[in-house]
Amino acid sequence: DAKTTQPTSMDCAEGRAANLPCNHSTISGNEYVYWYRQIHSQGPQYIIHGLKNNETNEMASLIITEDRKSSTLILPHATLRDTAVYYCIVSFRSNDYKLSFGAGTTVTVRA
Amino acid sequence: EAGVVQSPRYKIIEKKQPVAFWCNPISGHNTLYWYLQNLGQGPELLIRYENEEAVDDSQLPKDRFSAERLKGVDSTLKIQPAELGDSAVYLCASSSTKSGTGLNEQFFGPGTRLTVL
Repeated sequence: DAKTTQPTSMDCAEGRAANLPCNHSTISGNEYVYWYRQIHSQGPQYIIHGLKNNETNEMASLIITEDRKSSTLILPHATLRDTAVYYCIVSFRSNDYKLSFGAGTTVTVRA
Repeated sequence: EAGVVQSPRYKIIEKKQPVAFWCNPISGHNTLYWYLQNLGQGPELLIRYENEEAVDDSQLPKDRFSAERLKGVDSTLKIQPAELGDSAVYLCASSSTKSGTGLNEQFFGPGTRLTVL
């Protein structure tokens, strides 16, 4: 499985966009990029996933570089409730999209 | 729609005692997962069930851990005997059959926080 590298922590201001980077330089062509987040004392929550194209849903946008070696999760208007640990994961169909969580990025949204 | 239900939420036991955790997945979800999460780390998969069958238990320490999902619905994870190092949060998740979009949206329960004294 491709490994991912994320910053340990980052801060952002409430109401501003939060851009969370993830490096996955060894990603293979059939591996998807997933993002989950975990709010304190809760289980992880799915945010978004993508293969090649940029994706957007009601929670966030996912920007994947053309070479697929890195991606950025964008929270367009961060709120205090977005304070959480964000996990970037790569996975593929032949391993049944197994999720291997790393340590993630601790995002703190400040008022 | 009810989410994944886990009980108990908290458990404190002495070492060498047995302990069991229960999970009821989202209705209709055929895949069930048990994860272990140590403080400051991401969840680690212990076992995955497809209906009643354990299809991936390679990370389950089988000398003291066991799991079952007898009717393909709810599941129990047991530790016997517990050790100090087993103190962690035990998470259960469920998902439905994969589509062709690469989506593996796992729905997680709140977890059971185990403290072994």
